[in-house]
Amino acid sequence: GDSVTQMEGPVTLSEEAFLTINCTYTATGYPSLFWYVQYPGEGLQLLLKATKADDKGSNKGFEATYRKETTSFHLEKGSVQVSDSAVYFCALSAQGAQKLVFGQGTRLTINP
Amino acid sequence: EAGVTQSPTHLIKTRGQQVTLRCSPISGHTSVYWYQQALGLGLQFLLWYDEGEERNRGNFPPRFSGRQFPNYSSELNVNALELEDSALYLCASRKAGTGNTGELFFGEGSRLTVL
Repeated sequence: GDSVTQMEGPVTLSEEAFLTINCTYTATGYPSLFWYVQYPGEGLQLLLKATKADDKGSNKGFEATYRKETTSFHLEKGSVQVSDSAVYFCALSAQGAQKLVFGQGTRLTINP
Repeated sequence: EAGVTQSPTHLIKTRGQQVTLRCSPISGHTSVYWYQQALGLGLQFLLWYDEGEERNRGNFPPRFSGRQFPNYSSELNVNALELEDSALYLCASRKAGTGNTGELFFGEGSRLTVL
């Protein structure tokens, strides 16, 4: 079945460090790919998405590129801030399906 | 525009009891999804409703059930509660016609503790 595997956390970085959170997926066809973020005490919100191969999603300085050949959708940010501390979820929605399948989440803590 | 609203925000039950969680989607959204987020785990898909019908169901026992009303709001019912049902239950809605590319909008969840 469809699945998403994320880099295990927790991840702790210093402010202004470079961030990569790895995400790989298994799905038939051409899924849509998403990164959601869950700030402390809040619900999930969409961070970015890509709906076809080689698309790059970007938002708030975060980027991820849909790589069909490596079945990956790694999240990157060039310079993280304390306010980026949150749990990040990679997810896919398979072609012809409606539900989102989530990875296990990666807790990110940024220290000043 | 109001977001997805869920109630109650927190509740405590004992083993064997029953619970009903409620969700109001964003106006104009016809699809409602329920997810379970147990402590330390990712989100597990529970149920998907669209236009009043159950369209898909995750790998959960039948004591997890729900329904969607004509105004597209939804209820999640859990019978015969077990300790491992303790979790954050998240509801999400999606606009009709967006297929698998559309964003899910999440509520803040109902945190259930089973003692």
